[in-house]
Amino acid sequence: DTGVSQNPRHKITKRGQNVTFRCDPISEHNRLYWYRQTLGQGPEFLTYFQNEAQLEKSRLLSDRFSAERPKGSFSTLEIQRTEQGDSAMYLCASSLFEGTDTQYFGPGTRLTVL
Amino acid sequence: AQSVSQHNHHVILSEAASLELGCNYSYGGTVNLFWYVQYPGQHLQLLLKYFSGDPLVKGIKGFEAEFIKSKFSFNLRKPSVQWSDTAEYFCAVSGSARQLTFGSGTQLTVLP
Repeated sequence: DTGVSQNPRHKITKRGQNVTFRCDPISEHNRLYWYRQTLGQGPEFLTYFQNEAQLEKSRLLSDRFSAERPKGSFSTLEIQRTEQGDSAMYLCASSLFEGTDTQYFGPGTRLTVL
Repeated sequence: AQSVSQHNHHVILSEAASLELGCNYSYGGTVNLFWYVQYPGQHLQLLLKYFSGDPLVKGIKGFEAEFIKSKFSFNLRKPSVQWSDTAEYFCAVSGSARQLTFGSGTQLTVLP
């Protein structure tokens, strides 16, 4: 069990640029979740996948955000035309959807939009 | 919609003091309840969880939590805190939809 990994760990970009983050879940986990966390708040749900299917998207996920999980393995989260309000920590979690579905979190990608 | 309230934003204790962090949730159906901890510079880690059965659940590092259904509460407790327990603690709930709804967190500072 190597844990959930996320890359990059930090990303600084200028407003209007596109950014992409990657999440590699725990290998046998079939569910993958994306959350966003801003300072002083708990993580907020963005979207999740079961295998390669994107099953739910939060209303927080504007049309500038897109997520994929090709082949049900790693996932990418892309933000187009970044805005300063997108600055946050983006967290990925994975779980094995049977029984308890406990989510295990990665270290996150901290995005700063200048 | 489900929601979670953590009323204590920052708690400061001396070592060996007892700890209780409050968590109340709002959800109309069957819930699963979690406490996660984030130590300085580290990622979120699962402390303990409740799905069913005994409402008193024990987690890692001597933490426990009690699910009181009538009060919609899932308070975290530890009889004697250590300096190494300094961290941010998040209560979370999931329902049929499985995604987690988190509280805003409680920063615990333990003074040596």
